Amino acid sequence: GENVEQHPSTLSVQEGDSAVIKCTYSDSASNYFPWYKQELGKRPQLIIDIRSNVGEKKDQRIAVTLNKTAKHFSLHITETQPEDSAVYFCAALRTGAQKLVFGQGTRLTINP
Amino acid sequence: EAGVTQSPTHLIKTRGQQATLRCSPISGHTSVYWYQQALGLGLQFLLWYDEGEERNRGNFPPRFSGRQFPNYSSELNVNALELEDSALYLCASSRWAGEEFFGPGTRLTVL
Repeated sequence: GENVEQHPSTLSVQEGDSAVIKCTYSDSASNYFPWYKQELGKRPQLIIDIRSNVGEKKDQRIAVTLNKTAKHFSLHITETQPEDSAVYFCAALRTGAQKLVFGQGTRLTINP
Repeated sequence: EAGVTQSPTHLIKTRGQQATLRCSPISGHTSVYWYQQALGLGLQFLLWYDEGEERNRGNFPPRFSGRQFPNYSSELNVNALELEDSALYLCASSRWAGEEFFGPGTRLTVL
């Protein structure tokens, strides 16, 4: 089955700097890769996703890149702000499957 | 569109008791997923229900069980509670494979 590895588990950056979180997946048939953000005490919410026919997708300060050959995808946050502090989860969905497989999560802290 | 709802918000039990957690999916969503989140980090997959059937379960003992009702709402039951069952239990729903919408969770504390 699919396995998703996420790194790092914790990340601390200065406000205004960029943050990058990386995930690798094992099943080459995976074709959908969402990212969720969970703020303290709140539910995880989808912030951006990418499908396997696209190499990069941007939404304001966040972007996701996908390398199908290497089977890894990354979340990039630019010009980080205090409200970016949260736990971020990557996930993958294999073609034909009906269940996302989540990474272990990254706790991102933005230092003022 | 109303989001996924869960009840109760908090639940306090003692060791050996049973806990019942409830989830109402977004209207039109037929799949319900349950996750355990301990220590505020990883999402551990528990159970997946679709169209009233259990489709998959994670690596949890049989004392974790559940069901899905005809209106697609779902219930998670945890029997013979242990201290390590203390966690946030999240429910998510989806209409099709892919995006899962999460509820606010039930915080279970086992004393």
